[in-house]
Amino acid sequence: DADVTQTPRNRITKTGKRIMLECSQTKGHDRMYWYRQDPGLGLRLIYYSFDVKDINKGEISDGYSVSRQAQAKFSLSLESAIPNQTALYFCATSPSGGADTQYFGPGTRLTVL
Amino acid sequence: GDSVTQMEGPVTLSEEAFLTINCTYTATGYPSLFWYVQYPGEGLQLLLKATKADDKGSNKGFEATYRKETTSFHLEKGSVQVSDSAVYFCALSYDTNAGKSTFGDGTTLTVKP
Repeated sequence: DADVTQTPRNRITKTGKRIMLECSQTKGHDRMYWYRQDPGLGLRLIYYSFDVKDINKGEISDGYSVSRQAQAKFSLSLESAIPNQTALYFCATSPSGGADTQYFGPGTRLTVL
Repeated sequence: GDSVTQMEGPVTLSEEAFLTINCTYTATGYPSLFWYVQYPGEGLQLLLKATKADDKGSNKGFEATYRKETTSFHLEKGSVQVSDSAVYFCALSYDTNAGKSTFGDGTTLTVKP
């Protein structure tokens, strides 16, 4: 079984709808991240969390919110989806420590019409 | 701020050709450097890393050497295979930066039989 799972894998929604993307991990890592990937722009950090009580904004947090329900679960919400949030979204984890390897989920492809 | 610049793609090679993907970085300190690979339909996974100057990371026939004097971490492989077709990301991360990574834009490699 995969160590980092994301649901759903694909989602099509309409402008203005609220949507939640979920991430679960079995690696026992404290740190979790949400990124979006757009063609030609690499990965950009949306939010990250050091532990359940510590959540931080990344470089592109506007229009997004997150919830760290447990050490193993980190959800990303789009309160009112807009078309330019169409992207591939990745969750990642890493052990506590600065320059650790990140472990990525398989991604969620979100389309906002 | 920190940044990572990768060779623009896409790169198309014939099987058994030599591969170089250039990566240079701008950093305010002394980061660890990483190469991640993303196979079609999957999340990123670590390919190799180096934590200090002159270190060489290697895995699956790929190599990269941390060159502080030229602020580079070029990825090389002597003989590519069709199965190496993927997107390759160069990244940096600091011990004191909460594990946040800065990623390059990615380079798409296609290897033809």
